Amino acid sequence: SQTIHQWPATLVQPVGSPLSLECTVEGTSNPNLYWYRQAAGRGLQLLFYSVGIGQISSEVPQNLSASRPQDRQFILSSKKLLLSDSGFYLCAWGTGGPEAFFGQGTRLTVV
Amino acid sequence: KQEVTQIPAALSVPEGENLVLNCSFTDSAIYNLQWFRQDPGKGLTSLLLIQSSQREQTSGRLNASLDKSSGRSTLYIAASQPGDSATYLCAVSRYTAGNMLTFGGGTRLMVKP
Repeated sequence: SQTIHQWPATLVQPVGSPLSLECTVEGTSNPNLYWYRQAAGRGLQLLFYSVGIGQISSEVPQNLSASRPQDRQFILSSKKLLLSDSGFYLCAWGTGGPEAFFGQGTRLTVV
Repeated sequence: KQEVTQIPAALSVPEGENLVLNCSFTDSAIYNLQWFRQDPGKGLTSLLLIQSSQREQTSGRLNASLDKSSGRSTLYIAASQPGDSATYLCAVSRYTAGNMLTFGGGTRLMVKP
């Protein structure tokens, strides 16, 4: 069966520090991969999606970037965090069909 | 640009009540609609998926309906239980080959024993 892993579960980082969040999917190949963010008081918003290795599309301009170095690995990064980057980050995967499957999320607090 | 709205934002009911959560979307050209459950500090669990050609889906005490032409969906929860307490999210998919979802703000449900 397919599983999705996100880490870390929680993270507290100072303003201006770098960020790397990792997401991996097991049990499937060539998945579509997604990063969503849930900021305080706001709904879930799609940040990036990828349909293959090295293929990244950005949905909103921001201080973050994403990379897909391997088929089932999706990384969210920042060179310098801002206070506004705080939020709950969720990775998701899909096969191109109608369903989406989410990880357990990373709670990021920028101080 | 697709916008998804969920009403009410929060709901508190006594155990055993039947309840309805509402979701509306502005662009009826959707591929599918999903209802998710989110427990505090956790990821999303998919509850029901309704494809654009369908009108409703049922799973246990949950029933979701979809009216594309009016841009509405409802999630009906029968005989609510304290374990149903969570945030319920509605999301619509924009493309046929992807899962790029646009989410509503959610309804925070509390079921009191």
